[in-house]
Amino acid sequence: GENVEQHPSTLSVQEGDSAVIKCTYSDSASNYFPWYKQELGKGPQLIIDIRSNVGEKKDQRIAVTLNKTAKHFSLHITETQPEDSAVYFCAAKYGGTASKLTFGTGTRLQVTL
Amino acid sequence: EAGVTQFPSHSVIEKGQTVTLRCDPISGHDNLYWYRRVMGKEIKFLLHFVKESKQDESGMPNNRFLAERTGGTYSTLKVQPAELEDSGVYFCASSQSSEQYFGPGTRLTVT
Repeated sequence: GENVEQHPSTLSVQEGDSAVIKCTYSDSASNYFPWYKQELGKGPQLIIDIRSNVGEKKDQRIAVTLNKTAKHFSLHITETQPEDSAVYFCAAKYGGTASKLTFGTGTRLQVTL
Repeated sequence: EAGVTQFPSHSVIEKGQTVTLRCDPISGHDNLYWYRRVMGKEIKFLLHFVKESKQDESGMPNNRFLAERTGGTYSTLKVQPAELEDSGVYFCASSQSSEQYFGPGTRLTVT
């Protein structure tokens, strides 16, 4: 089955700096890669996703890149703000549109003033 | 539009007892999923309903876990009897396509 590895497990950046979280997946048939943000006491919130036919996608300060050859995908947050502090999860899906997600172990991002 | 809701938010039970978790998906979403996060590890898939039918239950750990989705609307996940290793946060998600939307989770503590 699919396996997703995520690094780093913790990340501390100063406000205004950029943050990058990286994931690798094992199944080359994976075709959908969402990123979730989980704040304390809340469920994971979908913040951006990318499909296997796209190399990069951007939404304001957040961008995701996908390298299908290397089976890597990354989340980039620019101009970080304190409210970006949370746990971020990457995930991968192979199979049909509504198939299950396989998650990474999460990255705790701390944005300091 | 209301999001995915889960009840209860927290549950503390003793080993050997029974607990039932409930999930109400986003209205109109045919797909409903259960996931679990144990001890700060990754979020792991448990099972997937399409309407009232179990599409994939490959992640269910053992026969102490029973999931149902009555009439293709809300879903329940029963753990009977609960063991210590069942402690964790149980998430429900729903979708109509690729995007899965998660509820706030139920934190289960088995003592």
